[in-house]
Amino acid sequence: EAGVTQFPSHSVIEKGQTVTLRCDPISGHDNLYWYRRVMGKEIKFLLHFVKESKQDESGMPNNRFLAERTGGTYSTLKVQPAELEDSGVYFCASSHLGTRENIQYFGAGTRLSVL
Amino acid sequence: AQSVTQLGSHVSVSEGALVLLRCNYSSSVPPYLFWYVQYPNQGLQLLLKYTSAATLVKGINGFEAEFKKSETSFHLTKPSAHMSDAAEYFCAVPNSGYSTLTFGKGTMLLVSP
Repeated sequence: EAGVTQFPSHSVIEKGQTVTLRCDPISGHDNLYWYRRVMGKEIKFLLHFVKESKQDESGMPNNRFLAERTGGTYSTLKVQPAELEDSGVYFCASSHLGTRENIQYFGAGTRLSVL
Repeated sequence: AQSVTQLGSHVSVSEGALVLLRCNYSSSVPPYLFWYVQYPNQGLQLLLKYTSAATLVKGINGFEAEFKKSETSFHLTKPSAHMSDAAEYFCAVPNSGYSTLTFGKGTMLLVSP
C-alpha cells in the first residue's frame, strides 16, 4: 500500500511568485491534513479536509493560501503570492474517518524556500 | 487547548547508551499521546501511542514510553541506542475533537559511535 506522497519534495521560488504543492493521501483515507513547520518552530496545523469539504481551516495563516481537494482524493495547497515568511516544510497527513484514535500518516513533506 | 513541551532540542548519546527524550503535556489528562519519528528525507512515522489502556507503551524499534499522570509526562526511552536511531522525534497530542494534532518542537537525537 502506497503511503502519503507529496510533490515536489523541494521548491525554490522568488517572493511574489506562485507555488502549488500537491498531496496524495493513502487510498481510502477521507481525512486529509496540511501542516507546516517553519524553521526552528514546531509543526503547526493548517487545514483539515473530510473528503472534499474543508472541516477546519483555522490554521491557515492568511488569504494567500488556498487549499483544494476536488473529488475528495488528492489535495493541492497554493501560495499566491509567496512571501519570505512562507518558507518552511509543508507536511500532508491522512487518516481513516471515524476512528477515535485518528492515527495520522504523514508524507515526507515539501520544503519551500522563498527568496 | 492541549499542548506538549519537549525539553531539549538536541540530545546526544553514545551508541549503546540509554536514550531518554522528554515530553510533558499540559495540565488536563489527554486521551491520547503520540510519539512520531522523522528519519532524514522521510515523513513522520508513528513510533508509539498512548490510549489510556496501559501506562507503559511499547513501540517500534525497541522504544517505549511511560505515561505518568503525577508528572504530566510521557517520556520516550530506549535502553540501548543504535546509530540508526539518529532522527528527530516529536511528541504530539490531539485537540479536543480528536482531529488535529499539536506537536512539540521536536528533539533531534544524535548518536555517536
